[in-house]
Amino acid sequence: DTAVSQTPKYLVTQMGNDKSIKCEQNLGHDTMYWYKQDSKKFLKIMFSYNNKELIINETVPNRFSPKSPDKAHLNLHINSLELGDSAVYFCASSQNPEGGEQFFGPGTRLTVL
Amino acid sequence: RKEVEQDPGPFNVPEGATVAFNCTYSNSASQSFFWYRQDCRKEPKLLMSVYSSGNEDGRFTAQLNRASQYISLLIRDSKLSDSATYLCVVTGTASKLTFGTGTRLQVTL
Repeated sequence: DTAVSQTPKYLVTQMGNDKSIKCEQNLGHDTMYWYKQDSKKFLKIMFSYNNKELIINETVPNRFSPKSPDKAHLNLHINSLELGDSAVYFCASSQNPEGGEQFFGPGTRLTVL
Repeated sequence: RKEVEQDPGPFNVPEGATVAFNCTYSNSASQSFFWYRQDCRKEPKLLMSVYSSGNEDGRFTAQLNRASQYISLLIRDSKLSDSATYLCVVTGTASKLTFGTGTRLQVTL
């Protein structure tokens, strides 16, 4: 009955590799997000999609490419991984893009060696 | 100036104590305000929304002062299970949630 799920939970990889993180929500929400939480615990939004359309794209390197095949899924693909990409990546969803309560997935802990 | 600022703590308080956290935000056009709670190595979860008139949910009271751009969270009768990081969250432009860095609370016996 998980509301927002992410896979994998842990990801350890070498610099320069390409990796993807998947996210799915079964809440029927229209809006989904990707956040990055760095080692200082600062949680920062990266992208937001509403009904498969990109609505927020913060200053994120274009090595990061989100893809929303349908409104229940928002995947994050990262090319040419760098050491500084090491962080916890959280997916979230909300009823609509006007904000309100956001439901977070359990996070994916990415370590780039 | 950061968009949302919080004292990182940690706040170490004994069980039963009352503790208050403050948060300031820079965007005067902000519309919505929240407190989220994040346990160690877990995802953030909504604790409560913050309304202009102030609101209470059990032992938790949230206040908003728009003139001073200031939000507070008061926890009465602290429990061990309240130990967590409390994130102040503000909705800014394009309904984007902006998170503070969080205030860590440790409740001890």
